[in-house]
Amino acid sequence: AIWMTQSPSLLSASTGDRVTISCRMSQGISSYLAWYQQKPGKAPELLIYAASTLQSGVPSRFSGSGSGTDFTLTISCLQSEDFATYYCQQYYSFPPTFGGGTKVEIK
Amino acid sequence: EVQLVESGGGLVQPGGSLRLSCAASGFTFSSYEMNWVRQAPGKGLEWVSYISSSGSTIYYADSVKGRFTISRDNAKNSLYLQMNSLRAEDTAVYYCARGGLQGLYYFDYWGQGTLVTVSS
Repeated sequence: AIWMTQSPSLLSASTGDRVTISCRMSQGISSYLAWYQQKPGKAPELLIYAASTLQSGVPSRFSGSGSGTDFTLTISCLQSEDFATYYCQQYYSFPPTFGGGTKVEIK
Repeated sequence: EVQLVESGGGLVQPGGSLRLSCAASGFTFSSYEMNWVRQAPGKGLEWVSYISSSGSTIYYADSVKGRFTISRDNAKNSLYLQMNSLRAEDTAVYYCARGGLQGLYYFDYWGQGTLVTVSS
C-alpha cells in the first residue's frame, strides 16, 4: 500500500488568510490524487481530482498542485464556510488510501 | 441531482451480522462503479470495498476480506454491504460513495452515512 503523510494535522487561520495543506506520498503516484472537505457530522465532499482539476461547483479559491510524491491544496482566501477537515486520497493503486486529515480551525 | 441514501446501520454484538443498503438516484446507477468507505468515531477515512458497474469486479480492504461482501442490484439502483463476524474495530460510519471517472478510484458523490456500532 502507498502511505501518505498529510501536514499539518491542525491549522489555525483567520478569515481571509491564504492556507496551504501538504500531502506527501511514499512513492510516486503521477497525478492520481484527490482532495476532500468534511464538515462535522457530514459526509466528505470532493474538491479536486487529478491533483489540480476542480470538481464542478467548487469555488475557485480552492486549488491543487503537484505531481509524483508532493501535492498541495491551497485556499486562496479563507471563508467562514471553509473551516473543516481536509483529506487527500491517492488512487494510483489499490487500495485507495487517505491522508490523516488536516483540521482548519478559526484562529 | 445525485443522491445516495444509506440504511441498515445499528447496534450489533461482536460476531454478529448486519446488511447495509445504499439507494441511488439522480444518475444512471448501472454505469458507475461504487464503493463503501468508513470512518471510525473521531478518526480518518478508510476505503472498505469496491464493485464495478456490472458487479463482475470486486475488491476489499485486507481488514474486511473474508467477512464483508459487497453486491449491487442495478435493476433496483441499490448497493449493499453484507457484514459478518463483526468486531469492535468495525464500529464506524459507513458511507457509500460513487466512483469518479471510469477506472479511477476517487469518489465524487457520497451518501450521508449510516452508523454501525459493534458492542456487547
